[in-house]
Amino acid sequence: NAGVTQTPKFRVLKTGQSMTLLCAQDMNHEYMYWYRQDPGMGLRLIHYSVGEGTTAKGEVPDGYNVSRLKKQNFLLGLESAAPSQTSVYFCATEDDRKNIQYFGAGTRLSVL
Amino acid sequence: QKEVEQDPGPLSVPEGAIVSLNCTYSNSAFQYFMWYRQYSRKGPELLMYTYSSGNKEDGRFTAQVDKSSKYISLFIRDSQPSDSATYLCAMRRTGTASKLTFGTGTRLQVTL
Repeated sequence: NAGVTQTPKFRVLKTGQSMTLLCAQDMNHEYMYWYRQDPGMGLRLIHYSVGEGTTAKGEVPDGYNVSRLKKQNFLLGLESAAPSQTSVYFCATEDDRKNIQYFGAGTRLSVL
Repeated sequence: QKEVEQDPGPLSVPEGAIVSLNCTYSNSAFQYFMWYRQYSRKGPELLMYTYSSGNKEDGRFTAQVDKSSKYISLFIRDSQPSDSATYLCAMRRTGTASKLTFGTGTRLQVTL
């Protein structure tokens, strides 16, 4: 039982490049979230989804897009990466019966 | 002013000590309170979960919520070197997919 799997684990991009971060879950949870974690800022919500085919903006959505074509996958896209997007990105899923979120191991992204 | 305030530390204690970690918050609508533990270069994992006010104990860990003071605490008894990690408080309102608001985390080091 893998839980929440994020790929890739590390990535270095040049300014202006694009990439997609993948989050896959095997817990059959409806809700999924993308956060970024920066020193002194804590975890901030980028986008979230309450079910297949749905997405919504979080606290810091600018510069990111998401898609939830399948229930088990939640993709986070950076169309034109900027140095300000250097961060650690975490995906989470939620057991909505218990209001508990489960996190993946994170993706470390550096934008040069 | 941030909705959730948490001292970043670092907090260094000797093995066996009692550790007290705290968060204050400003939003009186928060009803669910959580503590996550995050080891270096890993994702947050849920440690304690409390609904509304009161205490909850789980082994060496005790979570307290004082809604009148908007103050939550996590106590760790008989601290171990394996408790060395960053501890994040998190809280949310009731409602479907309500946003989880995190503190910035307190880094704890338990020394031999």
